[in-house]
Amino acid sequence: RKEVEQDPGPFNVPEGATVAFNCTYSNSASQSFFWYRQDCRKEPKLLMSVYSSGNEDGRFTAQLNRASQYISLLIRDSKLSDSATYLCVVNVQGGSEKLVFGKGTKLTVNP
Amino acid sequence: GAVVSQHPSWVICKSGTSVKIECRSLDFQATTMFWYRQFPKQSLMLMATSNEGSKATYEQGVEKDKFLINHASLTLSTLTVTSAHPEDSSFYICSARVLAGVDEQYFGPGTRLTVT
Repeated sequence: RKEVEQDPGPFNVPEGATVAFNCTYSNSASQSFFWYRQDCRKEPKLLMSVYSSGNEDGRFTAQLNRASQYISLLIRDSKLSDSATYLCVVNVQGGSEKLVFGKGTKLTVNP
Repeated sequence: GAVVSQHPSWVICKSGTSVKIECRSLDFQATTMFWYRQFPKQSLMLMATSNEGSKATYEQGVEKDKFLINHASLTLSTLTVTSAHPEDSSFYICSARVLAGVDEQYFGPGTRLTVT
């Protein structure tokens, strides 16, 4: 089983749609979780950290279910500028500096 | 957010030559920097962790003699790809932690290496 697995995608949605990405991780000792976005041929940029209680940042909502080792990202009212690849990222060992990246899910928002 | 720069942004070299990539933290000091590699349509894969003033820690399967890392100051880490081969062609990205004990990392813009 891969350390971090994501929906393979790609997702093609119209502007204004709500889209959800899912991610699972294999190491139950993982402590920190993040969503990054990566535009084509660019570096990843931190979108948001994911907290146990769930957290929201504008149109973006992240959820964590430790029992199921599952992370999600919900994007509401999607914009054209949301088109990117979304990376699920996990710190697989508590206190370790090592981040493990999922393969990413590509989102295209169409006008 | 924190700014990390990389140089060069892209490089084309001939097989057998060496290429040096620089990673700089511009507005903060980074005791730890990370080097990743990303092949097309693949995940970022951590190659090594670069610690200021000490030897880098390499991930399993990464040849330390081929990918030389030097972290001589709190704002600069370099990755040298020695005797490059076409299979080393990839997108190399560095990152740095802003604060010790905090997991968030900020990434440089990446260096696209093509070995002919």
